[in-house]
Amino acid sequence: EVQLVESGGGLVQPGGSLRLSCAASGFTFRTYWMSWVRQAPGKGLEWVANMKGDGSEKNYVDSVKGRFTMSRDNAKNSLYLQMNSLRAEDTAVYYCAREAMGKGATPDYWGQGTLVTVSS
Amino acid sequence: DIQMTQSPSSLSASVGDRVTITCRASQNIRTYVNWYQQKPGKAPNLLISAASSLQNGVPPRFSGSGSGTDFTLTISSLQPEDFATYFCQQSYNTPLTFGGGTKVEIK
Repeated sequence: EVQLVESGGGLVQPGGSLRLSCAASGFTFRTYWMSWVRQAPGKGLEWVANMKGDGSEKNYVDSVKGRFTMSRDNAKNSLYLQMNSLRAEDTAVYYCAREAMGKGATPDYWGQGTLVTVSS
Repeated sequence: DIQMTQSPSSLSASVGDRVTITCRASQNIRTYVNWYQQKPGKAPNLLISAASSLQNGVPPRFSGSGSGTDFTLTISSLQPEDFATYFCQQSYNTPLTFGGGTKVEIK
């Protein structure tokens, strides 16, 4: 069974940093692209970043470029999102998601999410 | 960036109704569209990929169609457990983008 479990969310002041983690199990983690997707309270879904299985390719939405860094440790079946220079508009539930193979960038399994609140 | 315009933003329907939700892409994305269902406090659940491919375990009352720029999600006979918010998403290129969502409420 595919499982994705996020952790690391919390309350942080504007300008602060936070590191999210996602523990994956139930599939061959190193062979899959993975994504981070966020959802501000009461709002829609916004894709944040994705990364190829071997870590050789990454993509980011413009609003987080230069502030967020996605990484992975395939030996630990773990995904990370380092978030720096946080802003109020980064407040959201952050989901990690696996991208299905052969279907374009299709997040098919999602974690339960971790809430990040940026506020003074 | 590819914009995904979803309509309506909300609708009220009764159990047994046929419901149609549409999504329009700002450019030709062939069949690179996915549809998700999300219930309050839960993660999105993938219903349909590649415009019309039903995911394992998803009831056949859900169907998707379309190609190019215009796409449709249809629920043939709405059930109580289908009251939720639905999102389309383009998987053609990055940044991946989602429609604004359609909240399906009980009439």
